Amino acid sequence: EIVMTQSPATLSVSPGERATVSCRASQSVRSNLAWYQQKPGQAPRLLIYAASTRATGIPARFSGSGSETEFTLTISSLQSEDFAVYYCQQYNDWPPITFGQGTRLEIK
Amino acid sequence: EVQLVQSGAEVKKPGESLKISCKGSGYSFTDYWIGWVRQMPGKGLEWMGIIYPGDSDTRYSPSFQGQVTISVDKSLNTAYLHWNTLKASDTAMYYCARAGVQQLVSWLDSWGQGTLVTVSS
Repeated sequence: EIVMTQSPATLSVSPGERATVSCRASQSVRSNLAWYQQKPGQAPRLLIYAASTRATGIPARFSGSGSETEFTLTISSLQSEDFAVYYCQQYNDWPPITFGQGTRLEIK
Repeated sequence: EVQLVQSGAEVKKPGESLKISCKGSGYSFTDYWIGWVRQMPGKGLEWMGIIYPGDSDTRYSPSFQGQVTISVDKSLNTAYLHWNTLKASDTAMYYCARAGVQQLVSWLDSWGQGTLVTVSS
């Protein structure tokens, strides 16, 4: 099973600043990585797939990068609606598909 | 518009059985894998398994193999998650979600609203 490790667990950032979330895979997942956003009481929402492709309707301030075992989600200028929990997910080697443990992005 | 609509919240007792559902619309239901994801209270996302409605090919996470059954009824465009014997530790929110690419297990691009299952004596 591929283990996905996110860092940090919690990130405190001020509105308008940049936020960066990291995700490391225990073995190569090539570019088969997605990012999701989850707000309290809501289902997760797909942000990024194939490591760097924004999903339909996702603002350009969200970007993804990386390959193999190291990945990054960057939010260039935080808006109030971006404060949420973010998860990475690999779909290269399954079953099982695996998620990271989540990163909580909170207002500083 | 792609939509996945899940059945409503359930409150059950330990030892009881349960089947929850996920109805797809707005796309060709048989062409996309549908997965199930568990989220225990205050915790992260756990992938349980996935089914291809076209031929009912089903794969499970080792953590959930033998604990649940995933099935589908193509005629109703509906996927199911079934427990024979619930435990208190099955208390969680359960999401269904559709794979983003036809015929491939991939990212999950559309999610149901979730079904809250509470198991308590």
